Amino acid sequence: GDSVTQMEGPVTLSEEAFLTINCTYTATGYPSLFWYVQYPGEGLQLLLKATKADDKGSNKGFEATYRKETTSFHLEKGSVQVSDSAVYFCALGPNTGNQFYFGTGTSLTVIP
Amino acid sequence: NAGVTQTPKFQVLKTGQSMTLQCAQDMNHEYMSWYRQDPGMGLRLIHYSVGAGITDQGEVPNGYNVSRSTTEDFPLRLLSAAPSQTSVYFCASSRDRGGATTDTQYFGPGTRLTVL
Repeated sequence: GDSVTQMEGPVTLSEEAFLTINCTYTATGYPSLFWYVQYPGEGLQLLLKATKADDKGSNKGFEATYRKETTSFHLEKGSVQVSDSAVYFCALGPNTGNQFYFGTGTSLTVIP
Repeated sequence: NAGVTQTPKFQVLKTGQSMTLQCAQDMNHEYMSWYRQDPGMGLRLIHYSVGAGITDQGEVPNGYNVSRSTTEDFPLRLLSAAPSQTSVYFCASSRDRGGATTDTQYFGPGTRLTVL
């Protein structure tokens, strides 16, 4: 069945460091891919998405490219800030069924 | 436009008690869903609905019931609470019937439930 595998955390970086969080997926067909972010004490909110192969989603300095050949959707940011400290979830949109699939989440802490 | 609202924010139950977690959205979304979030497990789908009067089971439905009598509301019922149901519960909605693959999900703030 469809699934998402996400890099385990926690990840701790210094401010202005480069961030990569790996995400790979298993799915038949052509689902959309998402990154959601969860700030402490809050629900998840959409960070970015890509709806087809080779699409690049971007928002707030974060980017991810839908790579069908490697079934990946890695999240990157060139220079992280303390305010980026949160939990990041990779997700797969409904494909042949009606379910969204989420990874286990990666906790990021950015220290000054 | 309040988005997705959930009540209560926190709840403590004793084993065997029942309760209902409330979820409402004011965006006229067709698709609604309930997830539980546990450490190291990510989000797991409990139940979902593709429109009023239609519900279906997700990955972990045992011990939970849902109904969808209106487009706006999607309550989650715990029939007889167990310590294994201690978790954070999130309700989410998205626009299209059937949860179209391109749709963004909008999440509520969550309910933190402890079962003693």
